[in-house]
Amino acid sequence: EAGVTQFPSHSVIEKGQTVTLRCDPISGHDNLYWYRRVMGKEIKFLLHFVKESKQDESGMPNNRFLAERTGGTYSTLKVQPAELEDSGVYFCASSWDTTGNTIYFGEGSWLTVV
Amino acid sequence: AQSVTQLGSHVSVSEGALVLLRCNYSSSVPPYLFWYVQYPNQGLQLLLKYTSAATLVKGINGFEAEFKKSETSFHLTKPSAHMSDAAEYFCAVTRAYNFNKFYFGSGTKLNVKP
Repeated sequence: EAGVTQFPSHSVIEKGQTVTLRCDPISGHDNLYWYRRVMGKEIKFLLHFVKESKQDESGMPNNRFLAERTGGTYSTLKVQPAELEDSGVYFCASSWDTTGNTIYFGEGSWLTVV
Repeated sequence: AQSVTQLGSHVSVSEGALVLLRCNYSSSVPPYLFWYVQYPNQGLQLLLKYTSAATLVKGINGFEAEFKKSETSFHLTKPSAHMSDAAEYFCAVTRAYNFNKFYFGSGTKLNVKP
C-alpha cells in the first residue's frame, strides 16, 4: 500500500513567485492534515480536511496560503506570493479518523524562498 | 492551551550509552502525548504514544517513555544507543476531540558516536 506522497520534494523559488505543493493521502483516508516546520522551529499545524471540507484552518498563517482538496482525494497548498519566511518543510499527513488511529506522515516538501 | 518544550536541541551520546531526551508539556486538559522520529530524508514515524492507559509506554526500536503528571514530563529513554538511532526526535501533545491535531516541540537531534 502506498504511503502519503508529497510533490515536489524540494523547491527553490524567488520571493514573490507562486508555489503549489501537492499531497496524495493514503487511499480511503478521509482526514488530511498540513503541517509546517519553519527552519529551526517546531512543527506547526496548518489545517485539517475531512474529505473535501476544511474542518480546522486555524493554523493558516495568512491569506497568501490557500489549501484545497477537490473531490476529497489529493490536496494542494498554494503559496502566493511567496515570502522569505515561508521557507521550511511542509508535511502532509492522513488518517482514517480522529479517534486515535494511526496518522501517517509524508516525507515533506522542502521549500526555499530566495 | 497545549504546548511542548524539548530541552536540548542537540544531544550526543556514545554507542551503547543511555539515551534520554526530555519533554515537558503544558495542557489545560489531560493530554495525549507522543514521540515521533524523523530519519534523514524520511517522514515522521511514530515511536510511541500515551493515551491515559499505562504511564510507562513502550515503543518501537527499544524506546520507552514515562508519563509523569506531577512533573508534566514525558521523557524518552533507551538503555543502549545504536548508531541507527541517529535522527531527530519530536515530542507532541494532542487532545481527545481532535486526536491528530498535534502541538509539537522544536525537536532534538540525536547524534550517536561510535
